[in-house]
Order: sequence, then C-alpha cells, then structure tokens
Amino acid sequence: AQSVTQLGSHVSVSEGALVLLRCNYSSSVPPYLFWYVQYPNQGLQLLLKYTTGATLVKGINGFEAEFKKSETSFHLTKPSAHMSDAAEYFCAVSEKGAQKLVFGQGTRLTINP
Amino acid sequence: ETGVTQTPRHLVMGMTNKKSLKCEQHLGHNAMYWYKQSAKKPLELMFVYNFKEQTENNSVPSRFSPECPNSSHLFLHLHTLQPEDSALYLCASSPWGGPLGNEQFFGPGTRLTVL
Repeated sequence: AQSVTQLGSHVSVSEGALVLLRCNYSSSVPPYLFWYVQYPNQGLQLLLKYTTGATLVKGINGFEAEFKKSETSFHLTKPSAHMSDAAEYFCAVSEKGAQKLVFGQGTRLTINP
Repeated sequence: ETGVTQTPRHLVMGMTNKKSLKCEQHLGHNAMYWYKQSAKKPLELMFVYNFKEQTENNSVPSRFSPECPNSSHLFLHLHTLQPEDSALYLCASSPWGGPLGNEQFFGPGTRLTVL
C-alpha cells in the first residue's frame, strides 16, 4: 500500500525566510502528487500538483515543489515566507488511474514576525 | 453557490441524537468522498461514491450511514455517536477517471461535537 511521510509535524520559520516542507512517498511507479493547504476552520485547498512533464511545479501563493523520482520526494518550498502562509500543509499521492488519495499526516507551519 | 458546500458548519449533539450532514458540489463531478479529521490523527477516508454507488467503506462503524441520492449530493447520517466521534468532517468531490490526476475539491467541513 502507498504511504506518505511528511517530516516534521511542526515547522517554524521567520517572516521572509525560506519555507521548506518535506514529503516522501512510497510507490513502485511514479504517482500523481499533490500539496494541499488548510487554513483554520476551513477545508483543504489545492496548492499544486504533479501529474506528468516538468518536475518543477509552480502553485498558488508563490509555492513550488519538485518531483524527484530517485529520492521519491516532493518537497514544497517558498523563497520568502509571509505571515499569511501560517496554516497546515498536507502532501498526498495517488496512483495513476486510481481514485483514492493517500494523505500524509500534515505539517503545521508557523511564521514568526 | 460554487465549489463544494457543507451544512451545517457546526453541530453539537448528544449521544442519543440523530442528525445528518449535507454536502453539495456544483462542479459537475461524479465522485464524492467523506473524510474525518481528528486533532491527532491523519486525514481518514471514510466513504467513496462514484456515480451514486458506494465504492469504498473504510471499516466505518455503522453509526455513520452515508447516502448519495445523486452525483451532486452526499449525506452522512449520524446516530448514537460517541464522544470520540467529535471531529471535523470534510466532504470532497472529484471528476471520475480524469486523465490528469485525482484532484479532489474540498468543502469547508462540519465541526461536530458529541457530548
């Protein structure tokens, strides 16, 4: 069965600093990969996704992620953190042709002024 | 309304009550999902419906009873719940068999508290 591991349940960075949220997956074939963000008292919103093609994917709010097959990773980055980025971030994976998403446990991002 | 809507947004119920959660999607999707999000657990998939037919039940207790009358509406009927069922219940929808990945669109959730 597929699994997703997000390293660090809590990450704290200063405003203006680099944001790096880590995600590793286990899959025998290259899957579809997703990052979702959840703001307090809201549902999940898609930040970006990788399906095929260019391995560096740009999303909303200045986030991007790079699919690295050799490392089975899909880490999320943003060059300069903003206070509004404080939220919980979920990495998810699905196999091509499969319907179900498998989510990681989430990483809570805190931005320090 | 656009996207995925859920009502009510907040619900407090006793263990002997019967209540229902409602989800509606305005995206023309054919698949709908119920998830449970607890404070200290990963997102848990509960049920999946495709074209109104249930295709997945992740060993959910029978006190949770889903209903999907059409591809746009999904209900979760609740009865004799336990305090540990208190959580955020999220509904999602997606296109079925889409070639570009199974992107799911989520509603805002219903915050359920069982007393």
